[in-house]
Amino acid sequence: KAGVTQTPRYLIKTRGQQVTLSCSPISGHRSVSWYQQTPGQGLQFLFEYFSETQRNKGNFPGRFSGRQFSNSRSEMNVSTLELGDSALYLCASTDGDTDTQYFGPGTRLTVL
Amino acid sequence: AQSVSQHNHHVILSEAASLELGCNYSYGGTVNLFWYVQYPGQHLQLLLKYFSGDPLVKGIKGFEAEFIKSKFSFNLRKPSVQWSDTAEYFCAVTSDNYGQNFVFGPGTRLSVLP
Repeated sequence: KAGVTQTPRYLIKTRGQQVTLSCSPISGHRSVSWYQQTPGQGLQFLFEYFSETQRNKGNFPGRFSGRQFSNSRSEMNVSTLELGDSALYLCASTDGDTDTQYFGPGTRLTVL
Repeated sequence: AQSVSQHNHHVILSEAASLELGCNYSYGGTVNLFWYVQYPGQHLQLLLKYFSGDPLVKGIKGFEAEFIKSKFSFNLRKPSVQWSDTAEYFCAVTSDNYGQNFVFGPGTRLSVLP
């Protein structure tokens, strides 16, 4: 099976702009989670979607949002970008039979 | 709130040395435990996982981990490290009590000197 894919791999934006990141999970995986990874804060959970519904949410402001489509593909959106949003954004899909997460390569977002 | 701690921020070893990376979690209930590795420039990969059964779990690349329930610990070990083990290692926990959210530790950076 193909792994988790994320697009784009790199993004450069300026403060105040918004951005949309995309994630395609492993075929058959219905749960998609998003994480923000930074050198200072490590891996922080953003939210999880399962069958098009947000099932869990981390402690991030409302500028961070997401959605999941009927084919399990997911997008996350960050509005009104701030310098501190510069990070590697990771998507992971979960094998529902083994509760194991598989990660994509990430999208590196730089906010100038 | 649930949390995962990793004892060391940065570990430096010479090749052939033995490795043990500590991981402790803060909550009870039924837990699933994972170790992930992130090699330089690569994405997170699963090293091993524990769900139930034998508390000594063997993973890929010669790694193993031991779940000690009484100590809320899941330490990662390798008898003899190689230069190629240089990476960042993350412990992660899910719990029935917390909706199966993955909570990651802050990571331990391992540098293996040739």
